[in-house]
Amino acid sequence: DQQVKQNSPSLSVQEGRISILNCDYTNSMFDYFLWYKKYPAEGPTFLISISSIKDKNEDGRFTVFLNKSAKHLSLHIVPSQPGDSAVYFCAASGAGGGSNYKLTFGKGTLLTVNP
Amino acid sequence: KAGVTQTPRYLIKTRGQQVTLSCSPISGHRSVSWYQQTPGQGLQFLFEYFSETQRNKGNFPGRFSGRQFSNSRSEMNVSTLELGDSALYLCASRASSNQPQHFGDGTRLSIL
Repeated sequence: DQQVKQNSPSLSVQEGRISILNCDYTNSMFDYFLWYKKYPAEGPTFLISISSIKDKNEDGRFTVFLNKSAKHLSLHIVPSQPGDSAVYFCAASGAGGGSNYKLTFGKGTLLTVNP
Repeated sequence: KAGVTQTPRYLIKTRGQQVTLSCSPISGHRSVSWYQQTPGQGLQFLFEYFSETQRNKGNFPGRFSGRQFSNSRSEMNVSTLELGDSALYLCASRASSNQPQHFGDGTRLSIL
């Protein structure tokens, strides 16, 4: 049972345009969401997070939007740069202790930003 | 500030052997988690340690085990290796439960 889904395995955008990466989740206990970027041969790098008490969080070119009723979040990158080309993972965890603290990852979306 | 350090970076073993992987968390981080990444399954949670105690465990067989030392460094052990254990093993640390996890570059384990 895949609790965090990234339905687009890949996305290609032009440099300077907006990149929108999407993520859906099924577990209503999730209340903390994160996006990671991963280059080949490196570990995932934390990008941005959002807790369920917010619906938007912004950090420079990166903005994460959370729609709790739809159990959907998205990452917007504006403007996209060639160096943003990487695999992006959506991840979620819950509060309350126990197994909810672990991160559950989506399978990733490969973003390619063309010059 | 040094990041999460994993050793070794690459390892080749044969079926039936055992292996120990090491992880040094970011200074001050007491929580260490381990993940397995494979092309088919993505990133799968193995276990999490906090203050030398296993706090969470994923759905992996008992051949996968870990421990954490008093200095927060952690080791992961896999016994009786199988071909399917070939994967990238990632370690992550965090300062507290409501903070993001920061990952090391992983250990690439290949089973022949």
